[in-house]
Parts: sequence; structure tokens; C-alpha cells
Amino acid sequence: GAGVSQSPSNKVTEKGKDVELRCDPISGHTALYWYRQSLGQGLEFLIYFQGNSAPDKSGLPSDRFSAERTGGSVSTLTIQRTQQEDSAVYLCASSLVSRYEQYFGPGTRLTVT
Amino acid sequence: QKEVEQNSGPLSVPEGAIASLNCTYSDRGSQSFFWYRQYSGKSPELIMSIYSNGDKEDGRFTAQLNKASQYVSLLIRDSQPSDSATYLCAVNPTGNQFYFGTGTSLTVIP
Repeated sequence: GAGVSQSPSNKVTEKGKDVELRCDPISGHTALYWYRQSLGQGLEFLIYFQGNSAPDKSGLPSDRFSAERTGGSVSTLTIQRTQQEDSAVYLCASSLVSRYEQYFGPGTRLTVT
Repeated sequence: QKEVEQNSGPLSVPEGAIASLNCTYSDRGSQSFFWYRQYSGKSPELIMSIYSNGDKEDGRFTAQLNKASQYVSLLIRDSQPSDSATYLCAVNPTGNQFYFGTGTSLTVIP
């Protein structure tokens, strides 16, 4: 079946602009995670959604970052007033239920100039 | 102290040998453990999950978990050049967060 999809695959933006990154999880997966991976670094947890529960936003690095998940499916990660340190690959993963195997999308490479 | 620690490598093994990748974690209450493979420029791909002490085998891969020692490992038998990648260990302590190690770079030499 279809895996996790993300769009765009690449995004170049100017410092100070807002960006929206989209994630479409595997059908039927109730849990959705966003991570950030900087060059040569490990995965940094950003936010987690589980069904209709309140999201776990504990990993968001600043209030410029926000995310929503509509209808328990598609999720959008928004970064306002982008900074150069926001440049990274943003990865989305979904799992059937929380705490079990996560499957990653191909990622969005964000470059802030 | 990091939640999950891995030797960054690089680890080099000849083709056909056994590659052994190790991971330690800090939260003794951790319940779920995962190994991911990440090729350069690609996203992580799930290889194995393990939830109970002992060994779990899947083809050429064996995951080993020792909760008393807070240690999880991945063995790759009959290593192939196509196994050359970075291997990420992931641990779910409690709640929702998963913690990933920074990965071990493996090179299989033909």
C-alpha cells in the first residue's frame, strides 16, 4: 500500500518568510510524528498526534513552530518567520498506534537563505 | 546523559562478515526498541522492532535486547555492500516520545 508522503520534497525560502510542510500518513495510522534532522545530527522530536487527543508539542523549539492535523489524517507543520537555523530535513512518520513501529516519509529538505 | 547512545563509527566489515551494532539507553522503564537503516540522503527505513528480552531474528538481521543491561544490538549476518548505511537505534521510554541515537555508519567492503 501507499506509504507516508510529504510535500514539498524541497523548499528554499528567504529568512523571515513563513513555510508550510505537509504530511499524508499511511491510511489507518492513528499516530503521527514530526521530526527534524540537521546535517550529521540525529532525529529531533518535534510534535506528536494521536487520534483526537491533544497533541504532544513538547519538542517544538520555539513558538514560531506549529502543527495541526485535520480529520485525523493529513498534518501540516508551519514555521513562521523562518531563520537560517531552521534549515534541516523535516521528517514525518506514522504508526498504527502509538509506541509501535513508525514508518517515515521521504522528508522535506528546507533551506533558509 | 543522552537518552540513547550509539558508537558513531565508522564501522567497516568485509563482505560476508557479521556486522555488530550496539546501542545503550538510559531509561530503565523503556518498553519498545527499534532499528532503522538510513541511506545517505534518504529517510530512515524500519528494519526491526523488539519488545522483549532476548533475540529476534528476521532474515539476515538479529536484534538482541537486554533490559537489565539497558542494551540493544543489531547483528547483520553475511553483510553485503548494499548494507552500507547509517543505522539508527530508537527507544520509546514511556509516553509518546521516541528517542533516536545519532547512528552508526557501516561500510561493507567488497
